[in-house]
Amino acid sequence: QVQLVESGGGVVQPGMSLRLSCATSGFTLSNYGMHWVRQAPGKGLEWVAVIWANGINKNYADSVRGRFTISRDTSQNTVYLQMNSLRVEDTAVYFCARDISSWSPGFWGQGTLVTVSS
Amino acid sequence: QSALTQPASVSGSPGQSITISCTGTSSDVGDYNYVSWYQHHPGKAPKLLVYDVSNRPSGVSIRFSGSKSGNTASLTISGLRAEDEADYYCSSYTSRSTSYVFGTGTKVTVL
Repeated sequence: QVQLVESGGGVVQPGMSLRLSCATSGFTLSNYGMHWVRQAPGKGLEWVAVIWANGINKNYADSVRGRFTISRDTSQNTVYLQMNSLRVEDTAVYFCARDISSWSPGFWGQGTLVTVSS
Repeated sequence: QSALTQPASVSGSPGQSITISCTGTSSDVGDYNYVSWYQHHPGKAPKLLVYDVSNRPSGVSIRFSGSKSGNTASLTISGLRAEDEADYYCSSYTSRSTSYVFGTGTKVTVL
């Protein structure tokens, strides 16, 4: 069955970097688009980024473009989110999710918490 | 990307039907059928209820149904149950910056 397990969260200071990982199993990563979505404390869901099934096209939310980079390693069945120049407002639980149809994140992990604080 | 607009809260009694609206623009909900709905219990992973406006994934109850008219999508929950109490989010592809956007979220309370 489809499984997604996020890791890499933690507490960092503003301006620092962090790399999140999403280990996948139960499907072929190169066949599906993969998203990162976050939820700040007390707030709603916010879409962060997507890497298309072709592994080439990538899109980002305005709030993270230029600071975050999504990538994947199909040999490791893992999707990454490299987060640079972190800000206090990036504090959130970060979920990875797999499309079940175009632009339809259908399978989700349990999330990993990122706290940006001085 | 501007969030899609949902009512902050909707409530109903057990057995009743409720409808949650999701208003976007011609750049997202109005022009594309990539509209999804999620149920989210705090501390858990969001659960996909509807995708492509009105399709239900395998295993999702037929009590959940989706539709769209113009720039507004809707999720109807029929036969409301206590376990339906949760936060609900719509989402859509948006042609602005070729990206994705979630709704503001609706808290459903079962009276």
